[in-house]
Amino acid sequence: NAGVTQTPKFRILKIGQSMTLQCTQDMNHNYMYWYRQDPGMGLKLIYYSVGAGITDKGEVPNGYNVSRSTTEDFPLRLELAAPSQTSVYFCASSYPVRSGANVLTFGAGSRLTVL
Amino acid sequence: DQQVKQNSPSLSVQEGRISILNCDYTNSMFDYFLWYKKYPAEGPTFLISISSIKDKNEDGRFTVFLNKSAKHLSLHIVPSQPGDSAVYFCAATGSGGSNYKLTFGKGTLLTVNP
Repeated sequence: NAGVTQTPKFRILKIGQSMTLQCTQDMNHNYMYWYRQDPGMGLKLIYYSVGAGITDKGEVPNGYNVSRSTTEDFPLRLELAAPSQTSVYFCASSYPVRSGANVLTFGAGSRLTVL
Repeated sequence: DQQVKQNSPSLSVQEGRISILNCDYTNSMFDYFLWYKKYPAEGPTFLISISSIKDKNEDGRFTVFLNKSAKHLSLHIVPSQPGDSAVYFCAATGSGGSNYKLTFGKGTLLTVNP
């Protein structure tokens, strides 16, 4: 059981380049999320999805795009990379509960550096 | 505007002693609180949670206390072990339509010395 798998683990981009961070989960979770973590900061929500075909913005969506064509996959696209997007990106998924805490399962992270 | 605050960036304790990690929040609409643990180069992993209708939840060496009137929660680890050395994130979420979005604090780096 792989859980949440993110690729690549590391990437260096030049300013203005584009790339896609891949995320896939094998737990049949409806909900998926992208967070970024900057040094000394908490995790900030970029985008989330409550099911295939449905996505919505989080706290810090500018400069990113997402799509959710299947339950398993939730790629994050950076169109014009900027130094401010240097960060560690975490994908997560969860199964919605009617009551109780929504426990997210996270991937191992993708470290992106924009030079 | 930080809705979840962890004011101590780091904490150092001796093995076998108690570790107490603190978290404050400002949004009275939060209904659930979670603690995540993160090792370097790994993703956060869920540790323990508590509902706003409770004031304590215990799981082995880990206990979370909630003081709703003070908007404060704490994670107690007893006894602390070197393997507990990690960054601990406090997170909060609402209920109903927004209960799937977690708001995280900045984290506290716990170091347990042998």
